[in-house]
Amino acid sequence: DTAVSQTPKYLVTQMGNDKSIKCEQNLGHDTMYWYKQDSKKFLKIMFSYNNKELIINETVPNRFSPKSPDKAHLNLHINSLELGDSAVYFCASSQDVRTDYGYTFGSGTRLTVV
Amino acid sequence: GESVGLHLPTLSVQEGDNSIINCAYSNSASDYFIWYKQESGKGPQFIIDIRSNMDKRQGQRVTVLLNKTVKHLSLQIAATQPGDSAVYFCAEKGGTALIFGKGTTLSVSS
Repeated sequence: DTAVSQTPKYLVTQMGNDKSIKCEQNLGHDTMYWYKQDSKKFLKIMFSYNNKELIINETVPNRFSPKSPDKAHLNLHINSLELGDSAVYFCASSQDVRTDYGYTFGSGTRLTVV
Repeated sequence: GESVGLHLPTLSVQEGDNSIINCAYSNSASDYFIWYKQESGKGPQFIIDIRSNMDKRQGQRVTVLLNKTVKHLSLQIAATQPGDSAVYFCAEKGGTALIFGKGTTLSVSS
């Protein structure tokens, strides 16, 4: 029973392509997140959705567009991929944005742009 | 924005030793802190948390200490085992999302 699942686990693509990463959580959480982890392991928040509503949109290029069809899903679409987009992308969820509980993370999607 | 940092990027210990991983945070308004463990090829995994109204919290083999005066957080792992080898992150929450530090890689040799 995977709590937060991401697909695909690995994604290799050429510059200029458009790709999507999917995320689903079965924890009944209201809030979902996308984090980017660079080659130095630094984790940076990209987006947050609370019950399908965007609440955090950090300084991320417009080429990145999150979509939440329902509160159990948060997908990430990336247009015109660039070399610098290569990283590991983690989806996470939490009970809701107001309460203080730890986040549950997926296992990550390693994106390599060539 | 403000971020959480760690003092040492790497820490090497012998099996059975106690490990201490440190973290300095900068946002004095942060009121909730978490330690995460990330093994190779996996996502961060919750270890232990602490709220700002506490200065110590213990779990199984782990203890988190919070010093709000100097804005310092530490994770103590007792009787470190090879399975504890991973990258450890502290994270703070002062707004609507967790902000992570840069991580300390713990290596345990037997």
